[in-house]
Amino acid sequence: EAEVAQSPRYKITEKSQAVAFWCDPISGHATLYWYRQILGQGPELLVQFQDESVVDDSQLPKDRFSAERLKGVDSTLKIQPAELGDSAMYLCASSLAGQAGANVLTFGAGSRLTVL
Amino acid sequence: GQQVMQIPQYQHVQEGEDFTTYCNSSTTLSNIQWYKQRPGGHPVFLIQLVKSGEVKKQKRLTFQFGEAKKNSSLHITATQTTDVGTYFCAGPATNAGKSTFGDGTTLTVKP
Repeated sequence: EAEVAQSPRYKITEKSQAVAFWCDPISGHATLYWYRQILGQGPELLVQFQDESVVDDSQLPKDRFSAERLKGVDSTLKIQPAELGDSAMYLCASSLAGQAGANVLTFGAGSRLTVL
Repeated sequence: GQQVMQIPQYQHVQEGEDFTTYCNSSTTLSNIQWYKQRPGGHPVFLIQLVKSGEVKKQKRLTFQFGEAKKNSSLHITATQTTDVGTYFCAGPATNAGKSTFGDGTTLTVKP
């Protein structure tokens, strides 16, 4: 069964350091999402790509977060500088079509970030 | 903005008992999806409901979408220890909109 690949699975960093997460969606999935999940809460959308274009980044803290999907396939989410409040699970998901609500999200295993 | 609320936040049941979680949106939804997240895992899609008043069943799980398309429920009959996890609902206000997740209901089952 096709999976969404994410790395690293775990990352511990000190505040003010830079951190990056990578995601490789299911082959053929044009839409890619980055979600942040704080313990005890539901996933919150940070950014959505349709191919290489950003569709929605309204909840992305752009002063410290950046995301790219240069060739419309895999994607990188970067945080610089990391803050204590960034500790969370970063989930990547992909779906087939561009209409986010109409399609099923397949999530990766996530990258758990701890900022000390 | 759109808000999705789920109740209860936690539910502890004895194995064999039934379980229900409720999802309410502040806005009318185009469709609603349910996901299950096992402890230490990631959300996994369970089902999508699209039509007003729709009811779907998956073995012991029954999903319902409200007539006004603003609420939904998930009912599990005769819970098993394999049902343990957090159940999330998610839905967009429009077909092209982003899905907003609720904060989930965490189910624990005592054998």
